Amino acid sequence: AQTVTQSQPEMSVQEAETVTLSCTYDTSESDYYLFWYKQPPSRQMILVIRQEAYKQQNATENRFSVNFQKAAKSFSLKISDSQLGDAAMYFCAYRRYNFNKFYFGSGTKLNVKP
Amino acid sequence: DARVTQTPRHKVTEMGQEVTMRCQPILGHNTVFWYRQTMMQGLELLAYFRNRAPLDDSGMPKDRFSAEMPDATLATLKIQPSEPRDSAVYFCASAQGTWSYEQYFGPGTRLTVT
Repeated sequence: AQTVTQSQPEMSVQEAETVTLSCTYDTSESDYYLFWYKQPPSRQMILVIRQEAYKQQNATENRFSVNFQKAAKSFSLKISDSQLGDAAMYFCAYRRYNFNKFYFGSGTKLNVKP
Repeated sequence: DARVTQTPRHKVTEMGQEVTMRCQPILGHNTVFWYRQTMMQGLELLAYFRNRAPLDDSGMPKDRFSAEMPDATLATLKIQPSEPRDSAVYFCASAQGTWSYEQYFGPGTRLTVT
């Protein structure tokens, strides 16, 4: 069974600094997708970034980038130049390549200090 | 701006009452998911549909929960009878096809059962 683990329930970062959120997953599949979703206080789930397992290059979206280590089954999210608007819950998620059932981690609450 | 809509946004009800939550997926999306989010359990998949047919409802308590898609523009989640432990935020999400990368989430329904 696929599981997604986020070992950091809560983290804090100073505005303008960099923070890394951790995620590990367990799967026997070789092809899959990984995602980071952001959930601000409004509760809306927003896709931040995705990574295809067959791609060796780490995905980046502006200030957001991932460190994808397939052998270690690790998928961390780096937020550079943190902004107050980045404060939210962040969820790591996994889905198989040909089956769009998602598995979510328990989330990491990110606080951004001014 | 296509988005998933959910009604109601908030619902307070007494134990034993029937609760119906509705979701309108993005037009053209043929896969619909229902999630429940609580502090203790995180984000749990309750059920999902493709082309209006239920594919997986293993996460749903069968004795009191039911999910349907009367047509392609409406998905419903019913709880009868409701219990205090059902208090949670219920999210609907939609996706376009098996190969779609991502799910698009609605704003959620916050249910409180007293």
